[in-house]
Amino acid sequence: AQKITQTQPGMFVQEKEAVTLDCTYDTSDPSYGLFWYKQPSSGEMIFLIYQGSYDQQNATEGRYSLNFQKARKSANLVISASQLGDSAMYFCAMREGQAGTALIFGKGTTLSVSS
Amino acid sequence: NAGVTQTPKFQVLKTGQSMTLQCAQDMNHNSMYWYRQDPGMGLRLIYYSASEGTTDKGEVPNGYNVSRLNKREFSLRLESAAPSQTSVYFCASSEALRDRGQPQHFGDGTRLSIL
Repeated sequence: AQKITQTQPGMFVQEKEAVTLDCTYDTSDPSYGLFWYKQPSSGEMIFLIYQGSYDQQNATEGRYSLNFQKARKSANLVISASQLGDSAMYFCAMREGQAGTALIFGKGTTLSVSS
Repeated sequence: NAGVTQTPKFQVLKTGQSMTLQCAQDMNHNSMYWYRQDPGMGLRLIYYSASEGTTDKGEVPNGYNVSRLNKREFSLRLESAAPSQTSVYFCASSEALRDRGQPQHFGDGTRLSIL
């Protein structure tokens, strides 16, 4: 079974609109962390935001926020006021506490922002 | 502010050739990782090194070897390249393997084609 599922291969949004990128995860470890990365067409991986499993509040970083619903095991990324530069591939990833190895990545969602 | 530096950026090999991908980080991080990225697959862990002197297999280690040369450097070697190893390779580092909140910092990737 996949540990990280991103069900939206592609999303399209207009500038200045908000967009939600979905991510569900599967773990039996009570202690874990969830990450979102952005990969523009140039190829580098850019860290956006982190949510810990024990964090009481949803994480926010500028225009990025994480809609964390622990019971549903979802960690959706919300981008407010989209910009053309937000067009990229977005990856959700998880690090499990017990395993302590490395990040487990989803397959990604391609976001296209149009003017 | 170099961060994680990978060399080379591009490489074309013939089947059966060997080569070493180099990675160095200047952030004094303890942990380093090698991932491969294939279309539609997200990033998959090849090997990681929790600290200087230790290495462990990830999800897809077959056909690869690694060396943690010192705290800064972590190299990935393909002893006998196969077309199935055509991929984009990313090196990453983080402060501590078991610190769930620390993001991994990625290099810009190496695009490797094996003919």
